[in-house]
Amino acid sequence: SQQGEEDPQALSIQEGENATMNCSYKTSINNLQWYRQNSGRGLVHLILIRSNEREKHSGRLRVTLDTSKKSSSLLITASRAADTASYFCATDEDFGNEKLTFGTGTRLTIIP
Amino acid sequence: NAGVTQTPKFRVLKTGQSMTLLCAQDMNHEYMYWYRQDPGMGLRLIHYSVGEGTTAKGEVPDGYNVSRLKKQNFLLGLESAAPSQTSVYFCASSDSTFQRVANGYTFGSGTRLTVV
Repeated sequence: SQQGEEDPQALSIQEGENATMNCSYKTSINNLQWYRQNSGRGLVHLILIRSNEREKHSGRLRVTLDTSKKSSSLLITASRAADTASYFCATDEDFGNEKLTFGTGTRLTIIP
Repeated sequence: NAGVTQTPKFRVLKTGQSMTLLCAQDMNHEYMYWYRQDPGMGLRLIHYSVGEGTTAKGEVPDGYNVSRLKKQNFLLGLESAAPSQTSVYFCASSDSTFQRVANGYTFGSGTRLTVV
């Protein structure tokens, strides 16, 4: 079964608005990562947050992590048409386990 | 610097045929992975390797075999293709555990396989 479940499955917003996606997971983690996938392409690593961190920023991206609720959120501020893509969370469940488990993704569409 | 290269990009197979998907990385990464992506299912791990000569099963290994004879290459084989293996296959690689935690995975652009 999937470790991460993203919510919502699909999101459409106007250009310039903020987009928020959520990820829930089931087991204890070492870190959580977010990836972007443009249509027909491979995934690209965006940002990583460790289990002892609560918030992290990278450019227009803001990630939060609540380990007590086993959830994370990805906020994209001032969205652009180029942000249209699918976004996946991935959990690193156990340090040394050597693999990531991906969620089902959120499809984000930015309307110009 | 090509990163992770997958070949072929597209393939149509008949049920029962066999084929091999090739993944090559030029970053000297230790770890390599094969995932399949299906609508509504996200990415599911098929097999992975933590170093040359090693392989391990992932979440959905049945019907697939892998080999890592050289550090830079990770091959995924389908011995007898079935329609249920119609999917998009992604290869990924990462550096040592410490680097992987810092930089995440590097993905190839995918192989779209259709089994008829």
